[in-house]
Amino acid sequence: NAGVTQTPKFQVLKTGQSMTLQCAQDMNHNSMYWYRQDPGMGLRLIYYSASEGTTDKGEVPNGYNVSRLNKREFSLRLESAAPSQTSVYFCASSEVGGGQGEQYFGPGTRLTVT
Amino acid sequence: GENVEQHPSTLSVQEGDSAVIKCTYSDSASNYFPWYKQELGKGPQLIIDIRSNVGEKKDQRIAVTLNKTAKHFSLHITETQPEDSAVYFCSSGGSYIPTFGRGTSLIVHP
Repeated sequence: NAGVTQTPKFQVLKTGQSMTLQCAQDMNHNSMYWYRQDPGMGLRLIYYSASEGTTDKGEVPNGYNVSRLNKREFSLRLESAAPSQTSVYFCASSEVGGGQGEQYFGPGTRLTVT
Repeated sequence: GENVEQHPSTLSVQEGDSAVIKCTYSDSASNYFPWYKQELGKGPQLIIDIRSNVGEKKDQRIAVTLNKTAKHFSLHITETQPEDSAVYFCSSGGSYIPTFGRGTSLIVHP
């Protein structure tokens, strides 16, 4: 039981490049989330998916897109990376949605945009 | 939307002392309040949570208290140990999506 896995662990992009961050969970959870973590800013929600086939914007969605590929997988795409997107990205999942239950976090992806 | 304020941002204590971290929230519909611990280089992990129908919950050396009238909740760690050193986040499960505080870096000196 791996929990929540994320790939890659580290990535360096040049401004304007695109990439997709992958996330998968093996706990059969309905809800999945993408956060970014910046120093002194805590965890800010980018997008979330309450169930397979649905996605909604969080607090900071600009510059990102998501895909809930199936119940297990939730990917985050940066179409044209900017230095302001340098951050650590965490994927999470929960059995109960709407922020009403424990979230299980992946190990994170550290992204640097130069 | 929900606003969660967390204080202090940094807390330094001696081993064996108690540590208290406080959070306030704005959404009166919030009814789930978890606390997460994040060790260096890892994702956050739940350490304790409380729902709005109780005022206090304990688990060994950690406890959480909730005052729904005042809209604040606190994490209490007693007999701190060096392995308690980490960043702690409070969160509020509002009516729609989870919101996190900005985090408290707890340093426990041996």
